[in-house]
Amino acid sequence: ETGVTQTPRHLVMGMTNKKSLKCEQHLGHNAMYWYKQSAKKPLELMFVYNFKEQTENNSVPSRFSPECPNSSHLFLHLHTLQPEDSALYLCASSLNQRADNSPLHFGNGTRLTVT
Amino acid sequence: AQSVTQLGSHVSVSEGALVLLRCNYSSSVPPYLFWYVQYPNQGLQLLLKYTSAATLVKGINGFEAEFKKSETSFHLTKPSAHMSDAAEYFCAVSDTGGFKTIFGAGTRLFVKA
Repeated sequence: ETGVTQTPRHLVMGMTNKKSLKCEQHLGHNAMYWYKQSAKKPLELMFVYNFKEQTENNSVPSRFSPECPNSSHLFLHLHTLQPEDSALYLCASSLNQRADNSPLHFGNGTRLTVT
Repeated sequence: AQSVTQLGSHVSVSEGALVLLRCNYSSSVPPYLFWYVQYPNQGLQLLLKYTSAATLVKGINGFEAEFKKSETSFHLTKPSAHMSDAAEYFCAVSDTGGFKTIFGAGTRLFVKA
């Protein structure tokens, strides 16, 4: 399998649940990203990992906790979410965060609904 | 700080008509610019990118974009729209200072039969 794969595609969770989103890339990239896409809002960068080190936390609430065990895998751990956290969560990868002209490769996203 | 403005949240064209999606950027240094497309229930995929090699950039699916420094624009065009072009299109600029890609708000393209 090639590209960026995200699981699950859809997730419904209550506000007291704990769940995790998974992202895997088979492109040999060294940078991985989490974005949040909400209706009628620009794409919001959440976290960036470059060579497994977190390089960006865009003031994301602590109920979102990222984990990057290696350059191919990225997780987003979720707990005690709010209804306004319902959105499409997109994972992306690129060759290297420091390579300015390296485009992002996106997965198909996880559609999260918080009830 | 760099920013991207996409004019028009929605654009509607007839099949076979010219597609023009507008993007203006602000940057204190020569930027890297990108256009991405998002089809329903999918992630974003790269259409084309500008990296200063040529001002007219050709991408996939017949799209192209022209970098105009004097106008700080990077508009996306396609001579003849197909129904399959209906999607949301995002312009983006690479932040050379902060190593981030900054996205515009997106333009949804509708294609009428």
